[in-house]
Amino acid sequence: ETGVTQTPRHLVMGMTNKKSLKCEQHLGHNAMYWYKQSAKKPLELMFVYSLEERVENNSVPSRFSPECPNSSHLFLHLHTLQPEDSALYLCASSPRTSGGRNIQYFGAGTRLSVL
Amino acid sequence: KNEVEQSPQNLTAQEGEFITINCSYSVGISALHWLQQHPGGGIVSLFMLSSGKKKHGRLIATINIQEKHSSLHITASHPRDSAVYICAVPPFGNEKLTFGTGTRLTIIP
Repeated sequence: ETGVTQTPRHLVMGMTNKKSLKCEQHLGHNAMYWYKQSAKKPLELMFVYSLEERVENNSVPSRFSPECPNSSHLFLHLHTLQPEDSALYLCASSPRTSGGRNIQYFGAGTRLSVL
Repeated sequence: KNEVEQSPQNLTAQEGEFITINCSYSVGISALHWLQQHPGGGIVSLFMLSSGKKKHGRLIATINIQEKHSSLHITASHPRDSAVYICAVPPFGNEKLTFGTGTRLTIIP
């Protein structure tokens, strides 16, 4: 148990659906991250939030829309996804965002299948 | 562009064997991370190191900054060590971690 909880663990959606992924941490961390892990590819950073402000958007298509209402919660809103968006989506948190010298605590991930 | 290469991609060994997984990167870094990903998908941070060696139980991580290389060793391997081991580095002045593709380790009883 890393202290970072993601829901749901599995999600199947059609290309016209709208769904949301949720991430929650009660570690007192100020930074939260969304990553995408596709089959046989390295983890790719999607978004970084620091103190509820988005500080990184790694050229992610607009069909992915993050939301950070407070420092403990992070959402990823999904709409009109494509089959190639099927992947494992991982949330992480860290005390701060400073230069990769913080250990990141990962959730168990949401495995998304887009039909 | 920072590239992170891991070897081997897949490793199968007998229980009790000494395991070595390697990571090479191409740019200057401030620290290197070793992560473990279990079949369910969750990722656990094993080490963050910027020089020398760190040890935690049966796991040992070493780094050679000049050679841009790190190794993760597992002594007395056990089937529960079966997982994907991932190396990640943040280039100097960059918030983002660049990840390797991982090494899939299988330990056979």
